[in-house]
Amino acid sequence: QQQVKQSPQSLIVQKGGISIINCAYENTAFDYFPWYQQFPGKGPALLIAIRPDVSEKKEGRFTISFNKSAKQFSLHIMDSQPGDSATYFCAASTQGGSEKLVFGKGTKLTVNP
Amino acid sequence: GAGVSQSPSNKVTEKGKDVELRCDPISGHTALYWYRQSLGQGLEFLIYFQGNSAPDKSGLPSDRFSAERTGGSVSTLTIQRTQQEDSAVYLCASSGGGIQETQYFGPGTRLLVL
Repeated sequence: QQQVKQSPQSLIVQKGGISIINCAYENTAFDYFPWYQQFPGKGPALLIAIRPDVSEKKEGRFTISFNKSAKQFSLHIMDSQPGDSATYFCAASTQGGSEKLVFGKGTKLTVNP
Repeated sequence: GAGVSQSPSNKVTEKGKDVELRCDPISGHTALYWYRQSLGQGLEFLIYFQGNSAPDKSGLPSDRFSAERTGGSVSTLTIQRTQQEDSAVYLCASSGGGIQETQYFGPGTRLLVL
């Protein structure tokens, strides 16, 4: 059972365009939703995170939109740059206990110059 | 400051052999996680350590997998009698142990079982 479903699997955008990656979750107990960015040969690094008490969070060119009723959240990358080319993972966790992250399968983003 | 380090960075072993993977968390971080990343898959939780509490082993896929954390710092993940399906990148992460604190990942150990 995949608790966090991520789409698309891969995405190609032109420099300056908007990249949009979507995730859907099943477990209503999830209350923390981070996005991680991973470059080849490196470990994932936190990009931006949101909690369900807000519907949107913006940090620079990166925005998370959150729809609690639909159990969906998405990452928008504005003015995409070739340096943004990486694999992006959405994740979710529940407060308390181990707070282990449940990850989506990832989206490989390529930004063409 | 230093991040999470893992060793070895790559490991090639033969089916049936035992392997040990090491993780050095960020100094002062009380929480430590192991995840596995298989090709084309997301990260899969394996085990969690927090201070002196009993570890959460709920993600370990079989009894061939075990992990320990000595002195609240360094952790070792051991895979006994390795199988080809164990081939993956094993990632370690640490955090300050507070509520939903950021997990900082190491570069991973790439394990190939022949």
